[in-house]
Amino acid sequence: AQRVTQPEKLLSVFKGAPVELKCNYSYSGSPELFWYVQYSRQRLQLLLRHISRESIKGFTADLNKGETSFHLKKPFAQEEDSAMYYCALEFKAAGNKLTFGGGTRVLVKP
Amino acid sequence: DAGVTQSPTHLIKTRGQQVTLRCSPKSGHDTVSWYQQALGQGPQFIFQYYEEEERQRGNFPDRFSGHQFPNYSSELNVNALLLGDSALYLCASSLPFYEQYFGPGTRLTVT
Repeated sequence: AQRVTQPEKLLSVFKGAPVELKCNYSYSGSPELFWYVQYSRQRLQLLLRHISRESIKGFTADLNKGETSFHLKKPFAQEEDSAMYYCALEFKAAGNKLTFGGGTRVLVKP
Repeated sequence: DAGVTQSPTHLIKTRGQQVTLRCSPKSGHDTVSWYQQALGQGPQFIFQYYEEEERQRGNFPDRFSGHQFPNYSSELNVNALLLGDSALYLCASSLPFYEQYFGPGTRLTVT
């Protein structure tokens, strides 16, 4: 069965410092991985997906199949990055069901 | 386009009662998925509807059922409510195998 683990519940960093959110997954097939973000009082929204290999709002994430990880990184955190971040794995066998991790709250201090 | 909309916003029910939650997908989307998000946890997949049929189901009991209408809107029904059903219920819409767009959720409290 597929599983997504985010080991940190809370990450607190100062503005301008680097931030890295960890995500590990277990899945027997070929995974498609995503990072979703939820800002205060807003709905869950897609931040980035591994297949697009884009950098969104300065965030990047690299899929490491050997370590089964998909860590999210940003070199210089901004206060507006304070939010809840969820790593998710997509299971395409029958539809596009998402399996989410437990989430990491990021707090960027001024 | 208002995006995905859900109603009601909040709901309080008593154990043993039944509840119906509603979702209208983003314009042009024909696939609706439902997720349960308990406090402090990530969303958990309940089921997905496409062409008015349940296409995939997560690990939820039969007390959880759904429906999709010809206009692609959807309902989630939960029977015989338990205290543990208290959660935020999220609806997401998409085209098949494309990005899912989430609604604001319905907060269900079971007392």
